[in-house]
Amino acid sequence: AAGVIQSPRHLIKEKRETATLKCYPIPRHDTVYWYQQGPGQDPQFLISFYEKMQSDKGSIPDRFSAQQFSDYHSELNMSSLELGDSALYFCASSPPLAEKYEQYFGPGTRLTVT
Amino acid sequence: AQTVTQSQPEMSVQEAETVTLSCTYDTSESDYYLFWYKQPPSRQMILVIRQEAYKQQNATENRFSVNFQKAAKSFSLKISDSQLGDAAMYFCAYRSAHTSGSRLTFGEGTQLTVNP
Repeated sequence: AAGVIQSPRHLIKEKRETATLKCYPIPRHDTVYWYQQGPGQDPQFLISFYEKMQSDKGSIPDRFSAQQFSDYHSELNMSSLELGDSALYFCASSPPLAEKYEQYFGPGTRLTVT
Repeated sequence: AQTVTQSQPEMSVQEAETVTLSCTYDTSESDYYLFWYKQPPSRQMILVIRQEAYKQQNATENRFSVNFQKAAKSFSLKISDSQLGDAAMYFCAYRSAHTSGSRLTFGEGTQLTVNP
């Protein structure tokens, strides 16, 4: 079965640089979520999109922005990177609510800021 | 805002034995979903089991079952016949049923060790 695809899987950036993380949801899934998991922590919700519109917003820094495109893939743009942004970034997707409500997670992008 | 609490940072169990992981949550909503996710060393988030709040019957998936106590806002996970592959971090999570695209709120996690 198809899964959520995230790219790149690993990314190393320096402070003050910019990073773009991409997420390709499972086919037919219309909702995408972004989570940030720091070392030894639980995943923290950043932002979600339903049918290309922002549907929920969590503790996402102003330096970060995201969008969902017409093909339902999503990109998380991160600027002025800080050491504290080093984390595992998960994308998850879910199908139309009429069907199910689980969120299916991608493998994550490990971002290291040096 | 909803909160999820896992009071057991670490648990251990002998292979083939049964272990129960605890989770409590706080919400003012009446309609919601609860989940247990497993995160092995690969860091992949794997859905273990889900429970709809409107259902009184406890969910079961093979060796995994839950004890859902809505009034007490408790949602524990029981793993029977524990296997070495069950060793992982387990997260309890809450999701509102009211809005599309609503977030998962996770507990702090319980690190499960399975001893041979």
